[in-house]
Amino acid sequence: AQSVTQPDIHITVSEGASLELRCNYSYGATPYLFWYVQSPGQGLQLLLKYFSGDTLVQGIKGFEAEFKRSQSSFNLRKPSVHWSDAAEYFCAVGSGGGADGLTFGKGTHLIIQP
Amino acid sequence: GAVVSQHPSRVICKSGTSVKIECRSLDFQATTMFWYRQFPKQSLMLMATSNEGSKATYEQGVEKDKFLINHASLTLSTLTVTSAHPEDSSFYICSALGGAPKNIQYFGAGTRLSVL
Repeated sequence: AQSVTQPDIHITVSEGASLELRCNYSYGATPYLFWYVQSPGQGLQLLLKYFSGDTLVQGIKGFEAEFKRSQSSFNLRKPSVHWSDAAEYFCAVGSGGGADGLTFGKGTHLIIQP
Repeated sequence: GAVVSQHPSRVICKSGTSVKIECRSLDFQATTMFWYRQFPKQSLMLMATSNEGSKATYEQGVEKDKFLINHASLTLSTLTVTSAHPEDSSFYICSALGGAPKNIQYFGAGTRLSVL
């Protein structure tokens, strides 16, 4: 069975500082990996995805993530956070070419300090 | 593009009543829709997968008679919580496949169900 671990429940970062959110997955085959952001009152928004190819993927809002198969990780990064980045971030893994239901991590709540 | 609308956003009902939640893909045809449940401070848990015109596939441990799913058209799936009880109180989120790019799930904003 596939699983996703996000070890950090909460992370506090100063505005303008860099950010890294950790994600580890367990999956027997080639994983389809996603990062979503959830803001209150809004649906989950896809930040980026990895299906194959270049292991460093660029997403929206200045986010990027790196797939490391040897570490079973897909960490999300941003060089300089903005107050509007405060939200809940979910890492997810899927199968079936991305067409099956997703398995989510428990999420990381990002707090931005002024 | 690829907008998913979920309605209602919040519903409060009495124990024993049934509640219907709608999930619509507004600008694309959704070949597959998914229903998730999110407990407070927890992850999203997949409840079921529905394909237009066929019966939904439920995840292990999800009562199909309690959570009725209908996917009657390519733009609408409904989740009916039958004979709701307080333990069914949760945040229900739908997603849909079929937009562009492919194999990306687009999520609704969720429905907060409170059963009194």
